[in-house]
Amino acid sequence: AQSVSQHNHHVILSEAASLELGCNYSYGGTVNLFWYVQYPGQHLQLLLKYFSGDPLVKGIKGFEAEFIKSKFSFNLRKPSVQWSDTAEYFCAVTFSGTYKYIFGTGTRLKVLA
Amino acid sequence: DAGVIQSPRHEVTEMGQEVTLRCKPISGHDYLFWYRQTMMRGLELLIYFNNNVPIDDSGMPEDRFSAKMPNASFSTLKIQPSEPRDSAVYFCASSFGRDYEQYFGPGTRLTVT
Repeated sequence: AQSVSQHNHHVILSEAASLELGCNYSYGGTVNLFWYVQYPGQHLQLLLKYFSGDPLVKGIKGFEAEFIKSKFSFNLRKPSVQWSDTAEYFCAVTFSGTYKYIFGTGTRLKVLA
Repeated sequence: DAGVIQSPRHEVTEMGQEVTLRCKPISGHDYLFWYRQTMMRGLELLIYFNNNVPIDDSGMPEDRFSAKMPNASFSTLKIQPSEPRDSAVYFCASSFGRDYEQYFGPGTRLTVT
């Protein structure tokens, strides 16, 4: 069955530390990949997306993600986090032949000032 | 555009009562999604519509839940009768065609006592 895995459920970092959140999916076909962010008390917002082309995708607020097809991964990175990045981050994947979003379980990031 | 609009933002009701959640998607979007978010289960897709037609309702937890989309600008999610375990934040999202990016509403926080 198609699935999306986010292995880090909780991450705590100090400001200025680098961030990498893992996302892996189970299906080997064509996929569209997304990272969403949910700030405390707010709704999900799109950080970045990958459909095709350059596997290194840059999103808003200094975030980027790299699609590695051979590893079925789409990890989210930020070189230097800020306190305001405290939020929950969701990876999502759509698989070819379906119009179903499958969300990962989310990673709660806490950045210490 | 005002974005996806949901009402009410908060709903508190007693067990056994009927609850109706409402959603207005972004104008021109042809897909509409209903999600439920809880601490225990994370973000779950309940049902989605394409051009007002339900496409996949496999995520609807049981017959107490029903959703309709009578026209392109309005959808409802109804729970009857409600139970305490239905307490969650319910999100509506919409998207346009193959773009696949979903725009989320602010959510309805439902508490069933």
